[in-house]
Amino acid sequence: GQQLNQSPQSMFIQEGEDVSMNCTSSSIFNTWLWYKQEPGEGPVLLIALYKAGELTSNGRLTAQFGITRKDSFLNISASIPSDVGIYFCAGYNNNDMRFGAGTRLTVKP
Amino acid sequence: NAGVTQTPKFRILKIGQSMTLQCTQDMNHNYMYWYRQDPGMGLKLIYYSVGAGITDKGEVPNGYNVSRSTTEDFPLRLELAAPSQTSVYFCASSPSGAGGYTFGSGTRLTVV
Repeated sequence: GQQLNQSPQSMFIQEGEDVSMNCTSSSIFNTWLWYKQEPGEGPVLLIALYKAGELTSNGRLTAQFGITRKDSFLNISASIPSDVGIYFCAGYNNNDMRFGAGTRLTVKP
Repeated sequence: NAGVTQTPKFRILKIGQSMTLQCTQDMNHNYMYWYRQDPGMGLKLIYYSVGAGITDKGEVPNGYNVSRSTTEDFPLRLELAAPSQTSVYFCASSPSGAGGYTFGSGTRLTVV
């Protein structure tokens, strides 16, 4: 099946630092998405990318759709305590969305 | 708007029991999905539906059944609960199936 490899698994950073995480796949996806999940809640969509090479920002978040369509990255600038959570990448083709295993982010004030 | 509502939030089942996880959405979305989330494993698709009366299997459908009699509701049925079905279950919906899903807050199921 289509497997997504997300790294790192976890990050412990100081407030104010920048964060970078990425996702790679052996398969091509038509859409890449990034979600954030907080404890006891479902994932919430942060950014959706629809075109190879696309670079999209949402506030302090920036994500890119890799040129090969097999990878994507998410950057968070100037982290704040409320950035804490699990970040999931997802690749989408034809009613099938595959998720990475997540990056657990901890931000120390 | 309530979005996607899942009930119950928590449930403990004994092996062999059955139950239905409820999911309803009030956004008039055609597409609905059921995922399970296991620790460190991301989410895996169980079943999905592209509209009322239409359902299809996802990546991990064994042990589950679904129905979609209305646009709003997409219940997930476990017939003979097994310990391997201990997980957190998420329902999601989207207007067009193009990837931007709205998720419910999940049902945490434990089978003992």
